[in-house]
Amino acid sequence: AQSVAQPEDQVNVAEGNPLTVKCTYSVSGNPYLFWYVQYPNRGLQFLLKYITGDNLVKGSYGFEAEFNKSQTSFHLKKPSALVSDSALYFCAVRDVNYNTDKLIFGTGTRLQVFP
Amino acid sequence: NAGVTQTPKFQVLKTGQSMTLQCAQDMNHEYMSWYRQDPGMGLRLIHYSVGAGITDQGEVPNGYNVSRSTTEDFPLRLLSAAPSQTSVYFCASSYGLADQETQYFGPGTRLLVL
Repeated sequence: AQSVAQPEDQVNVAEGNPLTVKCTYSVSGNPYLFWYVQYPNRGLQFLLKYITGDNLVKGSYGFEAEFNKSQTSFHLKKPSALVSDSALYFCAVRDVNYNTDKLIFGTGTRLQVFP
Repeated sequence: NAGVTQTPKFQVLKTGQSMTLQCAQDMNHEYMSWYRQDPGMGLRLIHYSVGAGITDQGEVPNGYNVSRSTTEDFPLRLLSAAPSQTSVYFCASSYGLADQETQYFGPGTRLLVL
């Protein structure tokens, strides 16, 4: 079965510093990977996706993610963190086979950016 | 456009009570889904629909019923609430099943079952 893991419950970073939120995946076949952000009392918002092609994917709000096949990772990155980036971040993989097509979400990582 | 709307925002139920969580979208989306969000478990798919009159089960369907009589509405019913159903529930929609990764999510309904 497809799955993703987010090993860190929380990541703390100072404003202006680079940030990384980690995600590893386990899939059979080619992975379809995604990142979402959830601000307090809001639903999830799509940030970016990797389907195929360039390993560095750029998304909304200055975020990017690097797909690494050998390490089975899809870490979310941003060169310079903002306080407003503080939120809950979810990695997800799309589970597609003959009888299913759904998203499998990680457990989430809370990003706290300090001024 | 209002996007995806959910009512109520917060609800307290007693064990055994029933209720319906409402979800509506005004974007003419065919695909709609319900998730529950629990601490340390991410989001889990409860039920989904690929169009009016068509529904199917997700990962955790037990204890929940859905129907899709119109394109706009996708209510989630709890027939006999249990404390294990205490959670935050999100409804989402997209143009189609193929677009589900870019679903629009509603603001959520926080449910507490005593």
